[in-house]
Amino acid sequence: GAVVSQHPSWVICKSGTSVKIECRSLDFQATTMFWYRQFPKQSLMLMATSNEGSKATYEQGVEKDKFLINHASLTLSTLTVTSAHPEDSSFYICSARVGTGITEAFFGQGTRLTVV
Amino acid sequence: QKEVEQNSGPLSVPEGAIASLNCTYSDRGSQSFFWYRQYSGKSPELIMFIYSNGDKEDGRFTAQLNKASQYVSLLIRDSQPSDSATYLCAVSGWNTDKLIFGTGTRLQVFP
Repeated sequence: GAVVSQHPSWVICKSGTSVKIECRSLDFQATTMFWYRQFPKQSLMLMATSNEGSKATYEQGVEKDKFLINHASLTLSTLTVTSAHPEDSSFYICSARVGTGITEAFFGQGTRLTVV
Repeated sequence: QKEVEQNSGPLSVPEGAIASLNCTYSDRGSQSFFWYRQYSGKSPELIMFIYSNGDKEDGRFTAQLNKASQYVSLLIRDSQPSDSATYLCAVSGWNTDKLIFGTGTRLQVFP
């Protein structure tokens, strides 16, 4: 299957700082990537759809100025959590699909963000 | 109403038994359905997907889809302790890339 690499796997940062998470498709081109957030014992909540060469599409309730998404190439999308606060502490996961419809989504390893 | 609903569990079954996991969805336009397994602290991994009504078997796993009832299920035969995890149901429309996940069902297989 296709490989999606996410980095870092965990990060601890101080409140008020920004954190960048990278998501790379290693062996395929992903015109679209997805960013999810998962709080403990909860499901994956889609935050935004990242489109190569255009602005990301954010889900309702997700602050686009706080969660900056850049999809600079067909193999790289980044999520920057700006001015992080403790309530932003969560497990962030990216994924990519090859095509639409019945194609599976490939997930990165996830990033555990802890804001202290 | 949530778009994809699952019983959070935990569902406890003895080793060797059949585990039955259920999922309902609200969007009748949904076309493809996925089952993922997620171990604590890890990313989801795909078990199987289904898009036609009926059953689809893959090893110990069988996915069942009933579009009229907006219902999809996953059966795990000969359950093993290593199957203990959270099982996520995900749904996608035909013309969209987005996968919408249910809350997941925690499965516990005891020896």
